[in-house]
Amino acid sequence: AQSVSQHNHHVILSEAASLELGCNYSYGGTVNLFWYVQYPGQHLQLLLKYFSGDPLVKGIKGFEAEFIKSKFSFNLRKPSVQWSDTAEYFCAVNVGSYGGSQGNLIFGKGTKLSVKP
Amino acid sequence: GAGVSQTPSNKVTEKGKYVELRCDPISGHTALYWYRQSLGQGPEFLIYFQGTGAADDSGLPNDRFFAVRPEGSVSTLKIQRTERGDSAVYLCASSLHRTETYNEQFFGPGTRLTVL
Repeated sequence: AQSVSQHNHHVILSEAASLELGCNYSYGGTVNLFWYVQYPGQHLQLLLKYFSGDPLVKGIKGFEAEFIKSKFSFNLRKPSVQWSDTAEYFCAVNVGSYGGSQGNLIFGKGTKLSVKP
Repeated sequence: GAGVSQTPSNKVTEKGKYVELRCDPISGHTALYWYRQSLGQGPEFLIYFQGTGAADDSGLPNDRFFAVRPEGSVSTLKIQRTERGDSAVYLCASSLHRTETYNEQFFGPGTRLTVL
């Protein structure tokens, strides 16, 4: 069965520090990859997605992620975090061909990010 | 426009009771998903509807769980003989269903179920 691993449970950073959150998935076929964010008291929101093409994808609020197929990884990065980035971040996988979000997402356990002002 | 709504926002029940959780998707979204998020975990897939029919119910943990979507819009997740282990946040998401393109899943706020 497919699974998603997020390496860090809780990350604490000071403002302006750089961020990298790890995500690895287990599936040998075509996957679609996502990062979702949940700000305190809010719904899950899509941060960015990868289907094909350029393995470096840019999302909202200055976030980016790099797909490395050989490492089965899709790490999330941001060069300089802000206090408002405090949230929980979830990596997710959807198995299928291009545009194949016709089925369920498989989520990691999430990483809580706390940014100190 | 309005997003995905879920009611109730919180539900406390006793072990053995029956509960119903409701999801109102975004208007025009034909795909609807239910997920369950236990404490310290990511959302876990339960069931996916395309229109009125359950296209994939492989995530339902056992036969105490059942979901319906009779008119292809509102969906109800039903849990019989609730157990303490059913305590979790139940999330609903909806999306369009266009072929050959990505269909973003939009999540609701969830229903927090507590079984005493």
